[in-house]
Amino acid sequence: GEQVEQRPPHLSVREGDSAVIICTYTDPNSYYFFWYKQEPGAGLQLLMKVFSSTEINEGQGFTVLLNKKDKQLSLNLTAAHPGDSAVYFCAAGNNYAQGLTFGLGTRVSVFP
Amino acid sequence: ETAVFQTPNYHVTQVGNEVSFNCKQTLGHDTMYWYKQDSKKLLKIMFSYNNKQLIVNETVPRRFSPQSSDKAHLNLRIKSVEPEDSAVYLCASSLQGAGNTLYFGEGSRLIVV
Repeated sequence: GEQVEQRPPHLSVREGDSAVIICTYTDPNSYYFFWYKQEPGAGLQLLMKVFSSTEINEGQGFTVLLNKKDKQLSLNLTAAHPGDSAVYFCAAGNNYAQGLTFGLGTRVSVFP
Repeated sequence: ETAVFQTPNYHVTQVGNEVSFNCKQTLGHDTMYWYKQDSKKLLKIMFSYNNKQLIVNETVPRRFSPQSSDKAHLNLRIKSVEPEDSAVYLCASSLQGAGNTLYFGEGSRLIVV
């Protein structure tokens, strides 16, 4: 089945700087992907949904890139601010009934 | 805005007891899921339910069972808890079909002593 490797596990970022989280998946049949954000004591909040037909998605304060050839998905936090401190998860899917396969998460800490 | 509601948020119990977690979604979705998040934040799917039919049952111990009264509710019952069941259990829902977003509840933390 699908496996998703996510790195780095921890990221310490100065406020205003950018940061990148990379996920590598194994199943070439996976064709939709998600980035979720989890704040302490909370559930998972959707950041972005990515389909294999799109390569670049931009959200508020971040950019998501999909490299199908290398089976990589990345999240680029631009101009990090304290509200970005959280755990970020990537997830891959190809069959809704099977749910999503998640990476292990990246804990991001933004310091002044 | 929360639309997947889980209760209780937190539960402490002793080994061997029975525990139930409730989940309700108000999104009109037809598929619901339970995920287990361990102490290392690893998320693994346990069950998914669609139209009252169990779709996925991963290598989950038989003491775990999902219970659904309608498509808006999916509860999780643990018959006789063990220490390794200590975790956060996350409920999610989505519309049927590939690529639809999963919306998560805030989780139910179980501590087994």
